[in-house]
Amino acid sequence: ETGVTQSPTHLIKTRGQQVTLRCSSQSGHNTVSWYQQALGQGPQFIFQYYREEENGRGNFPPRFSGLQFPNYSSELNVNALELDDSALYLCASSFIAGGLEQFFGPGTRLTVL
Amino acid sequence: AQSVTQPDIHITVSEGASLELRCNYSYGATPYLFWYVQSPGQGLQLLLKYFSGDTLVQGIKGFEAEFKRSQSSFNLRKPSVHWSDAAEYFCAVGAPTEYGNKLVFGAGTILRVKS
Repeated sequence: ETGVTQSPTHLIKTRGQQVTLRCSSQSGHNTVSWYQQALGQGPQFIFQYYREEENGRGNFPPRFSGLQFPNYSSELNVNALELDDSALYLCASSFIAGGLEQFFGPGTRLTVL
Repeated sequence: AQSVTQPDIHITVSEGASLELRCNYSYGATPYLFWYVQSPGQGLQLLLKYFSGDTLVQGIKGFEAEFKRSQSSFNLRKPSVHWSDAAEYFCAVGAPTEYGNKLVFGAGTILRVKS
């Protein structure tokens, strides 16, 4: 059974740029959630994707967007990067849209300079 | 709105000593509760979960947690801590979104283990 994988591991961008982060869900899981974890804080829910559609969104601006593909993998896109976007971005997969038991990937560390 | 409070930012215990990490939640209905552990530079690993039934739940690595509805608490315990338990621990509550569910996390407790 393959766990949740994320790429890249680390990323450095400058303010104003755009970034795409990728996530492959755990085998058999069809729902992907994205979380932002700023330094010293707990993860904050960004949004969730199920059946290739956004299935719920946290308090993040529209410049945070996502996609889910037919194989259930997902992308997180962030436009017009700001310094405060520097964080660990975590992807989690679950078996169904209502599935609360979420399995997390190792995360992508984004640094915005 | 749902929220989770972890009152202790840092806790230091001696190896072999017992451990209790505190978690208080705010949620109107029956909560779904979780404890996750995060080692430096790593993702989150699920230690245990409470959905319903027995209020004392057992998890991996010798951890257990007790759900107390009257106190809105879900404290994590371990009878004897090992040096490898040093990590950051997050309590979370499951909360509904428009069409699904999300996790609401506390700010975390950093556990240090001294030999």
